Amino acid sequence: DSGVTQTPKHLITATGQRVTLRCSPRSGDLSVYWYQQSLDQGLHFLIHYYNGEERAKGNILERFSAQQFPDLHSELNLSSLELGDSALYFCASSFGQGAGYGYTFGSGTRLTVV
Amino acid sequence: GESVGLHLPTLSVQEGDNSIINCAYSNSASDYFIWYKQESGKGPQFIIDIRSNMDKRQGQRVTVLLNKTVKHLSLQIAATQPGDSAVYFCAENELSGSARQLTFGSGTQLTVLP
Repeated sequence: DSGVTQTPKHLITATGQRVTLRCSPRSGDLSVYWYQQSLDQGLHFLIHYYNGEERAKGNILERFSAQQFPDLHSELNLSSLELGDSALYFCASSFGQGAGYGYTFGSGTRLTVV
Repeated sequence: GESVGLHLPTLSVQEGDNSIINCAYSNSASDYFIWYKQESGKGPQFIIDIRSNMDKRQGQRVTVLLNKTVKHLSLQIAATQPGDSAVYFCAENELSGSARQLTFGSGTQLTVLP
């Protein structure tokens, strides 16, 4: 157990729908990062929050949004879902900002859009 | 943006042999590099890291080499074991916006043969 908790583990939904993925960071960590892992196996950076504030954005679609709450958990919202959004979504946490403080990944949420 | 890439998508080695996984990066401003191991159904797991002011770093059975001249990283696994079978990613700590986050390569599937 890495200490980073992601729920749900699996999610199946239809095109056009909206889903929310949840991430609880490791105790004491202030940063949360979201990544998407598609069939090409690459991990693509989506967004980074630090202590409730957005710090950086990757190639995140406008249909996707995220936030980090005062208790530091984060949610990734995916709307108007398309078949191509099917992927594994990982969050990672770290104490500071950037990998120099150590990244710890959760086990991911597998999203299937049908 | 600039990307991190891997030379080979798959690598098969005999149990007990040494494994070498290579990675090329293109962002000369990256200051920190990490190798992750991802087993099926799990999130990426930290293996070893190296800062840009170092050429070599050793861990337990693993060694990372950094050649900044040619922007090349390698991961060496000594006495490869069946439990080493996984996808291995290199990642660079890249500046984006006001913070750094990890940019991942596409991964190498390591298969350990009995």
